[in-house]
Amino acid sequence: AQRVTQPEKLLSVFKGAPVELKCNYSYSGSPELFWYVQYSRQRLQLLLRHISRESIKGFTADLNKGETSFHLKKPFAQEEDSAMYYCALGRGSQGNLIFGKGTKLSVKP
Amino acid sequence: NAGVTQTPKFQVLKTGQSMTLQCAQDMNHEYMSWYRQDPGMGLRLIHYSVGAGITDQGEVPNGYNVSRSTTEDFPLRLLSAAPSQTSVYFCASRHNSPLHFGNGTRLTVT
Repeated sequence: AQRVTQPEKLLSVFKGAPVELKCNYSYSGSPELFWYVQYSRQRLQLLLRHISRESIKGFTADLNKGETSFHLKKPFAQEEDSAMYYCALGRGSQGNLIFGKGTKLSVKP
Repeated sequence: NAGVTQTPKFQVLKTGQSMTLQCAQDMNHEYMSWYRQDPGMGLRLIHYSVGAGITDQGEVPNGYNVSRSTTEDFPLRLLSAAPSQTSVYFCASRHNSPLHFGNGTRLTVT
């Protein structure tokens, strides 16, 4: 069964510290993976997708098919990074995304 | 482009009442979907549509109906609201791209 697991409900770090938000997936096909971010009471916004291999707001994520992971990383966290982060798995041409339960990142000054 | 527009932003219903959450997009996206967001549960897919006249059930469809008469609009209907449907509802669309989300509708059922 297709599944996305984000093991941490809450991650709290200090400003300037490295941050890693974990995401593991279960999917028998070729996965399409995304990270979405939701700032307080706002809409979800795309942060990263694995096929673009780009860095947005200092965040990067690498797809590791061997470990079935797509962890989100940033070397130096900023207070404005505080938000809810969702990992999502795309399934084929229908466009449905399966979301993890989300990790709330809190960056303290 | 306005993107994905949801109305209303907030709604309070009494148990048993009905209502329709509106969603419209102006990007000519074929695919549209409805998710509900609950604390500790993430986002769960309610219904989706891959084009006008075509709808299908997602992970949690019970208690909700949808229709897709035009490419632009994808309304979500609650026929008889229940407290378990208290949630934040997001509409999203895509066309060979990541999902674009609306601002959400915060629904409370008392």
